Amino acid sequence: DAKTTQPTSMDCAEGRAANLPCNHSTISGNEYVYWYRQIHSQGPQYIIHGLKNNETNEMASLIITEDRKSSTLILPHATLRDTAVYYCIVSIDSSYKLIFGSGTRLLVRP
Amino acid sequence: DTAVSQTPKYLVTQMGNDKSIKCEQNLGHDTMYWYKQDSKKFLKIMFSYNNKELIINETVPNRFSPKSPDKAHLNLHINSLELGDSAVYFCASSQPGQGEETQYFGPGTRLLVL
Repeated sequence: DAKTTQPTSMDCAEGRAANLPCNHSTISGNEYVYWYRQIHSQGPQYIIHGLKNNETNEMASLIITEDRKSSTLILPHATLRDTAVYYCIVSIDSSYKLIFGSGTRLLVRP
Repeated sequence: DTAVSQTPKYLVTQMGNDKSIKCEQNLGHDTMYWYKQDSKKFLKIMFSYNNKELIINETVPNRFSPKSPDKAHLNLHINSLELGDSAVYFCASSQPGQGEETQYFGPGTRLLVL
């Protein structure tokens, strides 16, 4: 079973920031937080991951709370192409698998 | 250049047939995976191979048999296809190390069993 909970759906206006929350209250000390997304009919795509510190790359920013029980994925300037299902996943070092939950369906409105 | 490729993209077949799906990655990764995404869109791991050796088998029926001729390829053979096998099958690869298991997914193979 997935160790994370996410809202079923969200929407935001094009050009605005999209903030996608994730709860992972049972996360272990050595588990990373990963974010993937799946655009319609495509394979999942890696976005970003982090352990304790906030992370930023060319796609998004990841904010992890100090107690690590929740995190937020931020798409700073959402575009229509960001419409997708976003998955928050926790994974331990020695695991070779990702356990996907139901994710958050993000709709970016024109 | 396609990092993870799958063939075929679409597969329509009759119940009871045997079919194979092929996957190739050109990323030099040691680990490859098969995932199944059913009609409810849940994505679940089926198998994982590391350097041609099976390391994960998630209670998949033995009608499904993965084969890894080398670490760049992981094929999925399905015997006696059933209606419930209809789904999208995704191949993925990664290079594990120190917890950074970023996986790269293929475009998927859409299997429809009639």
